[in-house]
Amino acid sequence: AQSVAQPEDQVNVAEGNPLTVKCTYSVSGNPYLFWYVQYPNRGLQFLLKYITGDNLVKGSYGFEAEFNKSQTSFHLKKPSALVSDSALYFCAVRGGPSDTNAGKSTFGDGTTLTVKP
Amino acid sequence: DAGVIQSPRHEVTEMGQEVTLRCKPISGHDYLFWYRQTMMRGLELLIYFNNNVPIDDSGMPEDRFSAKMPNASFSTLKIQPSEPRDSAVYFCASNWRSTGELFFGEGSRLTVL
Repeated sequence: AQSVAQPEDQVNVAEGNPLTVKCTYSVSGNPYLFWYVQYPNRGLQFLLKYITGDNLVKGSYGFEAEFNKSQTSFHLKKPSALVSDSALYFCAVRGGPSDTNAGKSTFGDGTTLTVKP
Repeated sequence: DAGVIQSPRHEVTEMGQEVTLRCKPISGHDYLFWYRQTMMRGLELLIYFNNNVPIDDSGMPEDRFSAKMPNASFSTLKIQPSEPRDSAVYFCASNWRSTGELFFGEGSRLTVL
């Protein structure tokens, strides 16, 4: 079975400060990891993904994430937060092509990011 | 492309009524997912299809829920009879390969009175 944990329900940062939203995962085989963002009354939007290659992945809106295999983590980061980054963030893991859960995406519970001016 | 299109965006109905939610995935995508989002349970996968075939429906709450995908460009999620605890936002998502990111619709907000 695959699972994702986002240990923080809420993260608060001041504008201009760096931010980190944490995610750990459990999956058999190679992990396919994703971050999505959801604004109020909207669907989820893709931010970035790790499939293979460099452990540091860069995505939309200046976000990046670091894949750490030994710690089974995929934390989302941004060097300088903006008020407009305030939203709900989801980490997700997806089964690879040879996995019994091939194609199936499992999401964490989400972390609400609030950036204060 | 217009993205994943869901209808209706909002539905208010009374307990016991049948509800049908509709989804048009992005053209060319071969995976389609139905998710439900609530404050209490977060984002739950209900069912997903690959090439119009249901692959995993283990997340469907009970027999009152059913989903179909008669062709590559259309899917429905039906609740019959509906209950107040079914109130949630239902999302449809699609993508074209097993390792790719999902594209979500804007959701259908269901309220069952």
